[in-house]
Amino acid sequence: DTEVTQTPKHLVMGMTNKKSLKCEQHMGHRAMYWYKQKAKKPPELMFVYSYEKLSINESVPSRFSPECPNSSLLNLHLHALQPEDSALYLCASSQEAAGGQQFFGPGTRLTVL
Amino acid sequence: GQSLEQPSEVTAVEGAIVQINCTYQTSGFYGLSWYQQHDGGAPTFLSYNALDGLEETGRFSSFLSRSDSYGYLLLQELQMKDSASYFCAVVGNQGGKLIFGQGTELSVKP
Repeated sequence: DTEVTQTPKHLVMGMTNKKSLKCEQHMGHRAMYWYKQKAKKPPELMFVYSYEKLSINESVPSRFSPECPNSSLLNLHLHALQPEDSALYLCASSQEAAGGQQFFGPGTRLTVL
Repeated sequence: GQSLEQPSEVTAVEGAIVQINCTYQTSGFYGLSWYQQHDGGAPTFLSYNALDGLEETGRFSSFLSRSDSYGYLLLQELQMKDSASYFCAVVGNQGGKLIFGQGTELSVKP
């Protein structure tokens, strides 16, 4: 299995809702990532997990809360989001955190009303 | 600061060869990656150069010169399906952090 899966594909939520994005990989990768991408812009790193521990938090607002329950799973919990948080949220994984080859999931298209 | 420069748009015809350049200025450097992203899709890894020189993978090649802080992606025998955005990305000294360029939108015309 050489893919990263993400659910849901699309999500519409109000500013008072709580929702979660899920990501899964079965490639035995030890590093997993969350990115945010706006239209016509590059992916913007949010969080890095290495060996199930949070190693990088790019000063992301606390309304985004990552969780790594095990080496194959990565969640992103969302609470009290703003309309400007609407974007494509991408999960990625790599063999180790220092590698240049990251495998991206198809993303979750999030709309905050 | 950390920055990567690449052209915003490139247009070429089917069957042609196109080169997308990337210059970088980063506080640490382990290697240069290239990713392709079609509209509505996810980034897909194309290549990674950690050492100077040319890496070839089918129709795509990537080059790195560490002394010049410069690299390029070369696409040969262009096909319509190559129309996409191409991002260069530096692997810096913060483990796991890829620093992306702004992307080059490649349009392949018939």
